[in-house]
Amino acid sequence: GENVEQHPSTLSVQEGDSAVIKCTYSDSASNYFPWYKQELGKGPQLIIDIRSNVGEKKDQRIAVTLNKTAKHFSLHITETQPEDSAVYFCAVSFTGGGNKLTFGTGTQLKVEL
Amino acid sequence: ETGVTQSPTHLIKTRGQQVTLRCSSQSGHNTVSWYQQALGQGPQFIFQYYREEENGRGNFPPRFSGLQFPNYSSELNVNALELDDSALYLCASSPGTRSAGELFFGEGSRLTVL
Repeated sequence: GENVEQHPSTLSVQEGDSAVIKCTYSDSASNYFPWYKQELGKGPQLIIDIRSNVGEKKDQRIAVTLNKTAKHFSLHITETQPEDSAVYFCAVSFTGGGNKLTFGTGTQLKVEL
Repeated sequence: ETGVTQSPTHLIKTRGQQVTLRCSSQSGHNTVSWYQQALGQGPQFIFQYYREEENGRGNFPPRFSGLQFPNYSSELNVNALELDDSALYLCASSPGTRSAGELFFGEGSRLTVL
């Protein structure tokens, strides 16, 4: 089955700095790559996603890049703010997979003042 | 528009017991998925229901079972509970299964097995 590796497991940055989280996957059939943010006591919430027909997508301070050849994708957060502190999960899926997501192990991001 | 709601929020059971968790999907969504999230881990797919039929299952034993009702709400049942079943159980709804897209998660049911 699909295997998703996520790094780093913890990340501490100063407010205003950038944060980068990386994921690799194993199944070349995967073509949908979302990122979820999970705050304490809450369920995961989608923050950005990308499909395999594009290499980059940006939404304000958040961007995702995808390298299908190397089977890795990354989340970039610029100008980090304290409210960005949370656990971030990458995930993969594929068309025809019934919207079943395989998640990475998560990155605890801490933005320090 | 109400989001995904789950009940109960917390519960404690002992080994060998059975548990039922409930989920109401977001308005307009006909697909419900269940995920198990162990402490410090990412969610793991248990199964998905679409129009009252199971539509995909992860690597979980048959003692994990589910139902979806005509109003698209859903139940997750776990029999013969084991200590390793202690986890946060997340329900997610989506408007269909044809193509991969956003899942809308509830806040989860925290199960502790003693």
